[in-house]
Amino acid sequence: DAGVIQSPRHEVTEMGQEVTLRCKPISGHDYLFWYRQTMMRGLELLIYFNNNVPIDDSGMPEDRFSAKMPNASFSTLKIQPSEPRDSAVYFCASRPRQTSTDTQYFGPGTRLTVL
Amino acid sequence: QKEVEQDPGPLSVPEGAIVSLNCTYSNSAFQYFMWYRQYSRKGPELLMYTYSSGNKEDGRFTAQVDKSSKYISLFIRDSQPSDSATYLCAMRTGNTGFQKLVFGTGTRLLVSP
Repeated sequence: DAGVIQSPRHEVTEMGQEVTLRCKPISGHDYLFWYRQTMMRGLELLIYFNNNVPIDDSGMPEDRFSAKMPNASFSTLKIQPSEPRDSAVYFCASRPRQTSTDTQYFGPGTRLTVL
Repeated sequence: QKEVEQDPGPLSVPEGAIVSLNCTYSNSAFQYFMWYRQYSRKGPELLMYTYSSGNKEDGRFTAQVDKSSKYISLFIRDSQPSDSATYLCAMRTGNTGFQKLVFGTGTRLLVSP
């Protein structure tokens, strides 16, 4: 399996622009997670889906952030409009329904820089 | 105050040293404890998984949980340069159903040859 795939790997944009991050989870995994990682706050869960349905979006910082999962093999995280404080590494992770170790499989991340 | 506290480091040690990485937490409902390893420019990957208090050993790695003190540790014996990475602790409650993981901010470890 190719693992969790994220695109783009790097994104540089200007304040006010729309940013769309993409994720393809591991086939057969029921859970999909979006995280944000910064030096100050560490790894924060933004939102997670179960069987394509958003379950908990309490970590989404504000209305400028939205996430969708139109099917089991694709999810997007959108920021509109983007701000410099959104600069961070965004990770997508997936997990099977049953696991003995709570393992979440992370993608390589998208490094977002908002100027 | 954060639910999970972790010293960001960096922690620099010579090759062959014993490394101790630690996290403290405030939520007494946490029952499952994990350590993830994250290499530079990569996503985290699960390294160790333990339930409740006690020790678990896997090769050069030992995870230790002290629930009475709300303190968990990861020990690395005979550290290698390839162990240089950021180590994140993670934990969740034992409630039924899916529970979110709460991560520490990570400790950066540098092992010099």
